[in-house]
Amino acid sequence: DAGITQSPRHKVTETGTPVTLRCHQTENHRYMYWYRQDPGHGLRLIHYSYGVKDTDKGEVSDGYSVSRSKTEDFLLTLESATSSQTSVYFCAISEGPWRDENNEQFFGPGTRLTVL
Amino acid sequence: AQKVTQAQTEISVVEKEDVTLDCVYETRDTTYYLFWYKQPPSGELVFLIRRNSFDEQNEISGRYSWNFQKSTSSFNFTITASQVVDSAVYFCALRGLSGYSTLTFGKGTMLLVSP
Repeated sequence: DAGITQSPRHKVTETGTPVTLRCHQTENHRYMYWYRQDPGHGLRLIHYSYGVKDTDKGEVSDGYSVSRSKTEDFLLTLESATSSQTSVYFCAISEGPWRDENNEQFFGPGTRLTVL
Repeated sequence: AQKVTQAQTEISVVEKEDVTLDCVYETRDTTYYLFWYKQPPSGELVFLIRRNSFDEQNEISGRYSWNFQKSTSSFNFTITASQVVDSAVYFCALRGLSGYSTLTFGKGTMLLVSP
């Protein structure tokens, strides 16, 4: 299994509070991703990173920001959490860019976030 | 824009039955990759297979087989002699190669295998 951990694994917070989720990898992979999973929507990409300090928006980036100061860590921040951000959040990593042949994404265990 | 459609929301079978999960995709890219992931009740996402758009050869791995048909833009997944442990949500995904094309997932098919 790819060495990917997410913290916390579960969190309950109140509307309006800031929340930061952490993804940590031990694979030294360059590419990291944050997805959210909601019933009826599958997984949707929030943000991704293609290197230290290099990030870009995904399909559902509004209300989220990310930072990557080290190869191994990718942080997802909800500046002011809303109930619509209640979801399961998955981090993923891949070794090379999407153009590469062997570039499947490996996923972390997920973080269940509830915003009351 | 890319799109992946898994029309079957939920499938229920009895153990030892064969079951096919459908996946239809749309992309403007001429080169792309297709994937299947499994999400068991424990919640993790497990990579099952990757298929290159140039390789239409069907693949078999134990009880699992995949049928890729470019002419119909489909990448179907069959489980032969299903088992209770196959119960999970299965996701089909697509990645093109234009720009910074990322992974687009279908909404998933929940498979329930009863003893």
